[in-house]
Amino acid sequence: NAGVTQTPKFQVLKTGQSMTLQCAQDMNHEYMSWYRQDPGMGLRLIHYSVGAGITDQGEVPNGYNVSRSTTEDFPLRLLSAAPSQTSVYFCASSYGGQKEETQYFGPGTRLLVL
Amino acid sequence: DQQVKQNSPSLSVQEGRISILNCDYTNSMFDYFLWYKKYPAEGPTFLISISSIKDKNEDGRFTVFLNKSAKHLSLHIVPSQPGDSAVYFCAASDWATGTASKLTFGTGTRLQVTL
Repeated sequence: NAGVTQTPKFQVLKTGQSMTLQCAQDMNHEYMSWYRQDPGMGLRLIHYSVGAGITDQGEVPNGYNVSRSTTEDFPLRLLSAAPSQTSVYFCASSYGGQKEETQYFGPGTRLLVL
Repeated sequence: DQQVKQNSPSLSVQEGRISILNCDYTNSMFDYFLWYKKYPAEGPTFLISISSIKDKNEDGRFTVFLNKSAKHLSLHIVPSQPGDSAVYFCAASDWATGTASKLTFGTGTRLQVTL
């Protein structure tokens, strides 16, 4: 069981470039989420999905797109990167549908936008 | 508006002593609370949780206390060990919205356990 995996580990982008952060889980979890962590801000929810084909916005969705075509994968797309998107991005997953459940986090992708 | 607050950015404790990390929340709809531990360059890992119907939950050296009337929870680590040195995040969720996996995080407290 690899758990939640994220690629790449580190990426440098120029302003205006696009990229996709990959996230995959092999635990057959229904729920998947993307968070960003910034200094002094904790982790903030970007987008989440409660199952394949279903996505919704979190607290800070602007500038990001997601899709969920399979249970296993939940990619995060930056269409036109901005310096304000410099952050560490974490993907998380959980079984879903339970009041008391734990989210499992990936190791993170560190993104620097110049 | 920060709905989950950890007012102490850092805490230093001697090995063997008790570490107490605090967390306050403002949203009365939160009904499930979690603590996550994070080492540098790694993702957060789940530590312990508590439901709003309880006021205490214990797991080995870790105990979480919940005071609903004060909207306050705390994490006690006894005894503290050097390996406990990490950033600790408090998080909360609201089942009533139907999305228990939408976590609201605090800003974290960096715990350093000294020898």
